[in-house]
Amino acid sequence: GEDVEQSLFLSVREGDSSVINCTYTDSSSTYLYWYKQEPGAGLQLLTYIFSNMDMKQDQRLTVLLNKKDKHLSLRIADTQTGDSAIYFCAESIGTYKYIFGTGTRLKVLA
Amino acid sequence: DVKVTQSSRYLVKRTGEKVFLECVQDMDHENMFWYRQDPGLGLRLIYFSYDVKMKEKGDIPEGYSVSREKKERFSLILESASTNQTSMYLCASSTGGTNTEAFFGQGTRLTVV
Repeated sequence: GEDVEQSLFLSVREGDSSVINCTYTDSSSTYLYWYKQEPGAGLQLLTYIFSNMDMKQDQRLTVLLNKKDKHLSLRIADTQTGDSAIYFCAESIGTYKYIFGTGTRLKVLA
Repeated sequence: DVKVTQSSRYLVKRTGEKVFLECVQDMDHENMFWYRQDPGLGLRLIYFSYDVKMKEKGDIPEGYSVSREKKERFSLILESASTNQTSMYLCASSTGGTNTEAFFGQGTRLTVV
């Protein structure tokens, strides 16, 4: 069945890079997304990548996609305390189906 | 800005009560979704709707129903609330199409006592 997995926790020091990883099982996904959830809030889209791309860079964010291994990662350069949040990867399948991962709680230490 | 608004941030209800969670979006989106979020389980789809009066079961529909009488409004109904329905509920909407970002509401934290 469809499944998206992430590690639950990540802790980094301020100024370091963070890498959040995600694996998915459904190879028919068209787009893959990274969402950020701050405490007490809904999810906000950070970035997305089309399934035929390998990499996308957007300011401090770099998304890497290895379609063969069904592995997606989000790298945040120069991580700040304001980056502390839960990060969800998600894949879209068809026109209205999204599969979300379990979420990775990023804690940035000052 | 796209706005998805959930009627309550926090709710406390008693076991057996009928509970209504309301969600309104202002971008004329075709698709609307209800998820529940639990620690370690991520987001699980309860129901979604791709048009007015249309609804489809998601992965965990048991104990829930939905209503979409108008395009902008999608309601989640807990027919008889139980303690295992204590959770964060998230509403989302999106346009039709293949690359469609889902826009989320701020969430409703429901506690059933």
